[in-house]
Amino acid sequence: SAVISQKPSRDICQRGTSLTIQCQVDSQVTMMFWYRQQPGQSLTLIATANQGSEATYESGFVIDKFPISRPNLTFSTLTVSNMSPEDSSIYLCSVERGGLLETQYFGPGTRLLVL
Amino acid sequence: EDKVVQSPLSLVVHEGDTVTLNCSYEVTNFRSLLWYKQEKKAPTFLFMLTSSGIEKKSGRLSSILDKKELSSILNITATQTGDSAIYLCAVGSGDYKLSFGAGTTVTVRA
Repeated sequence: SAVISQKPSRDICQRGTSLTIQCQVDSQVTMMFWYRQQPGQSLTLIATANQGSEATYESGFVIDKFPISRPNLTFSTLTVSNMSPEDSSIYLCSVERGGLLETQYFGPGTRLLVL
Repeated sequence: EDKVVQSPLSLVVHEGDTVTLNCSYEVTNFRSLLWYKQEKKAPTFLFMLTSSGIEKKSGRLSSILDKKELSSILNITATQTGDSAIYLCAVGSGDYKLSFGAGTTVTVRA
């Protein structure tokens, strides 16, 4: 498995502001993923972040709203920009580990409430 | 578009009961099916299945994949209150992506 930490664990923000979420992994990984889980919903992939290249965004998610950085093989950030109450969700990062494709391990998540 | 459907959406059982959760899928270029347990925020990995008919077991939990029927089941025997959680099924397709089902909420009453 993998040891993954996220900061902050939770936050309450005002609409129109931005929040940057950090994800730190205990060892180097090639691929990191960012997911959103809206209240009562399942996980939806926002984007895939590879070190040294632009993040790949899923349909419905854009870089201006969710800019992602991946400065090295153990760290990534996701920014939720110009927030609205609809952005209230749990945001999770995950990594692919173990040499087995799609065995993804998740961080503890960031619970965001936008007022 | 990839599709993963879990059933039931929720169930309530008593300690000691056995539960069976279902997951069916329609994906292009299937690679694997994964089960996760989500209690508070982070889903924790349970099983990854790639081959049909081979049961994977971990304690009281077991799972099997049927690639002909495009489905999987997760069994929990002798349930305990600590098994109360949302169980998520995810299917991996050819481009590293995981598509998640809506989850099954299991409540185990003492």
